[in-house]
Amino acid sequence: QKEVEQDPGPLSVPEGAIVSLNCTYSNSAFQYFMWYRQYSRKGPELLMYTYSSGNKEDGRFTAQVDKSSKYISLFIRDSQPSDSATYLCAMRLTGTASKLTFGTGTRLQVTL
Amino acid sequence: DVKVTQSSRYLVKRTGEKVFLECVQDMDHENMFWYRQDPGLGLRLIYFSYDVKMKEKGDIPEGYSVSREKKERFSLILESASTNQTSMYLCASSTVANIQYFGAGTRLSVL
Repeated sequence: QKEVEQDPGPLSVPEGAIVSLNCTYSNSAFQYFMWYRQYSRKGPELLMYTYSSGNKEDGRFTAQVDKSSKYISLFIRDSQPSDSATYLCAMRLTGTASKLTFGTGTRLQVTL
Repeated sequence: DVKVTQSSRYLVKRTGEKVFLECVQDMDHENMFWYRQDPGLGLRLIYFSYDVKMKEKGDIPEGYSVSREKKERFSLILESASTNQTSMYLCASSTVANIQYFGAGTRLSVL
C-alpha cells in the first residue's frame, strides 16, 4: 500500500463548477501538507501549504486537512479552463530535514 | 520570485553514455533535491543535499550520483545510462521551512 493515495482521474468538469480533489494517507505523523499544480510538460508549482488540521483559503482555492481521518482536500471554486492541470498532494513530517512524500497526481480537465 | 533552472528541457542519450543534468537556483536555498517522475508512480526522490558537498540518498539512488560543489548548483549524474532511466527529471530547492520550488524538468530519453 502506498503511503499517499490519490485518484489519478482524469476528472472532467464544466467551467464554473466546484472541484474537489482528495488524498488519503497512512502515516499519522505527517504534519505539513501541500498541494502542487503541474501543467503539461512543466514542473510542479506550489499552490497551498498548510500545517496540521483545519482549512486555508487563497482566492478560489481552499485546502482542508482532516488528520483524524488522514484525509486532505483541495477545493477549487468557479473552475476555469486554465485550472486544467495535474494536481499533486504532498506531505511531510515535522523537522525541516524531512522529505516530501507525494501522491501520484489527479489530472483535471475543465471544459468550456 | 524563486527561480530553479534546469539546463536542458529535452535530452536524448544512448545506452551506456554518462549523462549530466544540471540545476541552478538563485534564492540562496540550503536544500536541493532531484526527483524522477513517471506515470502512475508520481515523484520519487533520488538524492538530496542540505549543504555544499553534502549528499543524502533518497528512495531510488541506484544508478545515479550527485555533485554539489557550490551552493546554487546541484548536478545529477547517470554514470552509465540505461533505458529504464528514461523519465522526467525534476530538480527542486527549498527554504528552511522545506517549502520546495521546482524547475521546469528535463525529459530524458535513453535509446
